[in-house]
This record gives sequence, C-alpha cells and structure tokens, in this order.
Amino acid sequence: QVQLQESGPGLVKPSQTLSLTCTVSGGSISSGSYYWSWIRQPAGKGLEWIGRIYTSGSTNYNPSLKSRVTISVDTSKNQFSLKLSSVTAADTAVYYCARDSSPPGFWFDPWGQGTLVTVSS
Amino acid sequence: EIVLTQSPGTLSLSPGERATLSCRASQSVSSSYLAWYQQKPGQAPRLLIYGASSRATGIPDRFSGSGSGTDFTLTISRLEPEDFAVYYCQQSETFGQGTKLEIK
Repeated sequence: QVQLQESGPGLVKPSQTLSLTCTVSGGSISSGSYYWSWIRQPAGKGLEWIGRIYTSGSTNYNPSLKSRVTISVDTSKNQFSLKLSSVTAADTAVYYCARDSSPPGFWFDPWGQGTLVTVSS
Repeated sequence: EIVLTQSPGTLSLSPGERATLSCRASQSVSSSYLAWYQQKPGQAPRLLIYGASSRATGIPDRFSGSGSGTDFTLTISRLEPEDFAVYYCQQSETFGQGTKLEIK
C-alpha cells in the first residue's frame, strides 16, 4: 500500500523559504492518475489545504498562499516538494503531504505522518 | 468560497452511545466532494467517509455518513474507546473547523 513521508528542516528563519519533500513508497507517484497535495495544521487548529500537483506538473494553489507557494514533482525519485517563501511565525505548523483523489478534491488518502516546521529566529 | 461549519464544537458521550456530528455548508455542494476524517492526538487525519456516505477501506461499519445539499452528518452507532478523537469534514479544498468527541 502507498505510504507518504515528509522530510525537511524543522526550523526556518523568518523571511526565508520553507522547503519540504514528500517521498511516496509502495507505488509509483505516476500511477492511478492521482493528484498529490500539501496540507498544514497550526498547533491546536484546523486543517488548511496549501496546494496540489499532478505528475504532468500541473498545479493548483490555495489563493491565500498562491503568491508564496511552489509545488514541484520529481517522478524519477517518486517525490513531490513544497516551497513556501517569505515565511513568518504564522506559517508555523505541522505540514502533511497526502494523495489527492482523481478528479482532485474528493478525498485525501493516505496522509504522511506530518512534520512540524517552526518559523523562528 | 464555501465555508463548512461543524457542530457541536465538542461532544461529550460515553462508550456504547450513539454520536451524531453535523457539517453544514454555506452553499449547496456536490455529495461527491464531501468527506469525513478522524484525527487522534499526534497523528495525521484518517479518511473515514467519502462521497458523503461511502466508507473508506478498513473503516468499521459503525461509522456512517449521510446528507446532501448543505447538510451532512457523520454517525457513529456505538462508540468504542478508540473513537474519541477530533472529526473533520471536507468539501473540495475546504475543511470544517472540527468536532472534538470526548469521553463523558
């Protein structure tokens, strides 16, 4: 079965760029016509969808974050990545990667375990 | 932009009781895009229900979903100790704020 695992720095300085990678195992990222999403959750708060990518490279972003977000895919490594620029303390959250349905937006399953990113100097 | 409002914010029940969780959309949505998730402390959300009423793989049949239009419901027929968690509804890219199901 497909499993996802996030990786990347746990601490990022304000104004810098947050970079995370999601590695997909147990199946090819290119099979099944699925999309692949990033979702975040500040401590004690709800879930916020950040954006998604298809293996063709086509992307959709949350309008509230669009100016700062870039999601890319590397099918040879079975990975997709998130970059969030100009971070502030408000970007401190647990970041999850998840498989998105096809068509996208029906459901997210499975999810990675999540990685905490703290924005602090 | 669609807003999902979940109620109640917190639900206190005992094991064996029936739980009914509500998710109301600010405008009519396609049932195909309505999903429910369970999240336990320190864990990622787990898909329970998709398409408003279809159980995800491996989800016990005590979990059921219903509804259409703007009103959707997640029902847990008989609460097990492991069911106490936070539950989120999702429509497309929007999540509700969650309902915490706690032990009474």
